[in-house]
Amino acid sequence: QQPVQSPQAVILREGEDAVINCSSSKALYSVHWYRQKHGEAPVFLMILLKGGEQKGHEKISASFNEKKQQSSLYLTASQLSYSGTYFCGTAFDSGNTGKLIFGQGTTLQVKP
Amino acid sequence: GAGVSQSPSNKVTEKGKDVELRCDPISGHTALYWYRQRLGQGLEFLIYFQGNSAPDKSGLPSDRFSAERTGESVSTLTIQRTQQEDSAVYLCASGRPWLAGVTGELFFGEGSRLTVL
Repeated sequence: QQPVQSPQAVILREGEDAVINCSSSKALYSVHWYRQKHGEAPVFLMILLKGGEQKGHEKISASFNEKKQQSSLYLTASQLSYSGTYFCGTAFDSGNTGKLIFGQGTTLQVKP
Repeated sequence: GAGVSQSPSNKVTEKGKDVELRCDPISGHTALYWYRQRLGQGLEFLIYFQGNSAPDKSGLPSDRFSAERTGESVSTLTIQRTQQEDSAVYLCASGRPWLAGVTGELFFGEGSRLTVL
C-alpha cells in the first residue's frame, strides 16, 4: 500500500530543476507533500485532491494524475533551502480517506 | 503551546521494559496520527484517530503496541516488552479535517527518540 517515490535521491546545483514522482498501486483520493530537513519534523507543502489539478506557488508545484495514480512534485530554480527529504503522503479512494500513508522519501541535496 | 508537543524527547530503555510516549496535539485538531521513523527511513504509519470515530489501528506492527486518545486531546502510545527493533523516532501529528474527509495540513511534533538497549 505504501506509495513508491522516485528517484530515491537527487543532487542538484543551485538554479537547476528537479521532479520527484510518487506512484501508487491503488486508486488515490488525495496526495500530500511534506519536506523534512535533517533532525527536524516534516513540514507541509501542499495537498492535491483527485481531479488532476496542479497546485503550487512560486517555484514549487505539484500535479496529480488520477488515471496514472501518481503525483509529481516540481522544484524549479532550486535554492539551497530546498535541501531535505521529500515525502508524499497518500489517502486511498476506498476506505478511510483521512488515513495517510507516506512513501519512503526522496532526498534532495542542492549544492552551491 | 502553539505546536504539537511530545514527551519524552529521548527515552533509553532496556529490552523487555514497557514505555509510554505522550502527544499533546494542537487545540481543536480532531485528527491525530502516530508514525514511526527509523534512522534514515521513511514515515511508517502506526495509528490514526479522528474525532470520536474508532481509531484506525491497521499500522500497529504487533500486539505489543497500543495507543489511546482521550477525546480530542492527549494521546499516549504504549510499547510493551520493548525489543531492539523498536528503536526509532516516534512522531505524532495533528490536523483538522479539510475537504470530504481528507485531513488538511498536518503539524508534526519533534518526536520521541526511543533507544532500546
